[in-house]
Formats: sequence, C-alpha cells, structure tokens
Amino acid sequence: GAGVSQTPSNKVTEKGKYVELRCDPISGHTALYWYRQSLGQGPEFLIYFQGTGAADDSGLPNDRFFAVRPEGSVSTLKIQRTERGDSAVYLCASSLMGQDTQYFGPGTRLTVL
Amino acid sequence: DAKTTQPPSMDCAEGRAANLPCNHSTISGNEYVYWYRQIHSQGPQYIIHGLKNNETNEMASLIITEDRKSSTLILPHATLRDTAVYYCIVRYDSNYQLIWGAGTKLIIKP
Repeated sequence: GAGVSQTPSNKVTEKGKYVELRCDPISGHTALYWYRQSLGQGPEFLIYFQGTGAADDSGLPNDRFFAVRPEGSVSTLKIQRTERGDSAVYLCASSLMGQDTQYFGPGTRLTVL
Repeated sequence: DAKTTQPPSMDCAEGRAANLPCNHSTISGNEYVYWYRQIHSQGPQYIIHGLKNNETNEMASLIITEDRKSSTLILPHATLRDTAVYYCIVRYDSNYQLIWGAGTKLIIKP
C-alpha cells in the first residue's frame, strides 16, 4: 500500500515568509509525528498527534511553529516569519497507534534564504 | 539525549555480512531496541526491532546480548544499496518518542 507522503519535496522561501508543509499518513494510522533533521544529525522530535489532537507538542522550538490535523488524517506544519535557522529537512511519520512502529515519509527540504 | 552509542562510520565489502554494533548500557526492562536506516536524501526506513530475543526479518537480523546492554544489527549479504546511516534507538514500551543519535554511516564497497 501507499506509504507516508509529504509535499512539497523542496521549499525555498525568504526570511520572514510563511510556509506550510503537508503530510499524508498511511491510511488507517491514528498517530502522526513531525520531526526536523539538520545536516549530519538524527531527526529531532517536534510534535505528536493522536487522532485530531496534539498529544505532545513539547518539541516545537517556539510559537512560530504550529501544526494541525483537523480530520485525523492529513497534517500541516505551519511556520510563521521563517528564519534562516529553520532551514532543515522536515520529516513526517505515522504509526497505527502511538506505541507502534513509525513509518517515515521522504521529507520536505526547507531552505530559508 | 540519545541512550545509545554507535561507531560513527564503518566499511563493509559487497556480499559480506555487515555487523553494526550498538551500546545501550542504561536500557530498562520495558525498552525496545529499534533500528532504522536513512539512505542519502531519503526519509528513515524501519528495519527491525526487539525486546529480549533475537529477531530476524527479510531485511536483517537483530542480536541482543543476554544482559541487553548491547546489540548488533546484521545485514547478511550487503549490497551497494545498503550504504546508509544506520540508527539504533531505545524506546520505552508505551512511549512514542524516538530519540535519535548520530548513527553509523555504513559504506558498502565493491
């Protein structure tokens, strides 16, 4: 079946702009996660959704970052007033339930100029 | 902080078994050992996980020591496509967070 998909695959924006990154999880997976990965490092947890609600957003770096999952399927990560330090690969993963194996999408490479 | 220690890099000849070590000396009884890999410019790919017993699937084998303080991921017949960064992660049974270290960069040489 289809895996986790993320769009766009690449996003280039200017400092101060607003961006939205989309994640389509595996069908039937109730849990969804966002991670951020900087060059040469492992992924860093941002937020976890169980269904429509954010069960844990402790990894969001500041209030410029926000994520939604209104219908319990697709999720959007929103970044306001982007900064050059936000440049990274943003990864989305999903799992059947919160404690199950997580399956990752290909990521969105965000570049803030 | 990651609860695992892995060598930063390893080489392996194509066709040979690749054995990737991982130390997790502070692991607790309810924590699983997970392995993922990340091929360049792709998202992480799940490989295998285990609790106490050794595990095998179509991709790899996972050998966990009896005291559970270390484990080895074995790719039985490495190919060039196995070149990737391999991450060993310890995760509590009911926890969802994966805390990643820097992983091992495995290079398969022809």
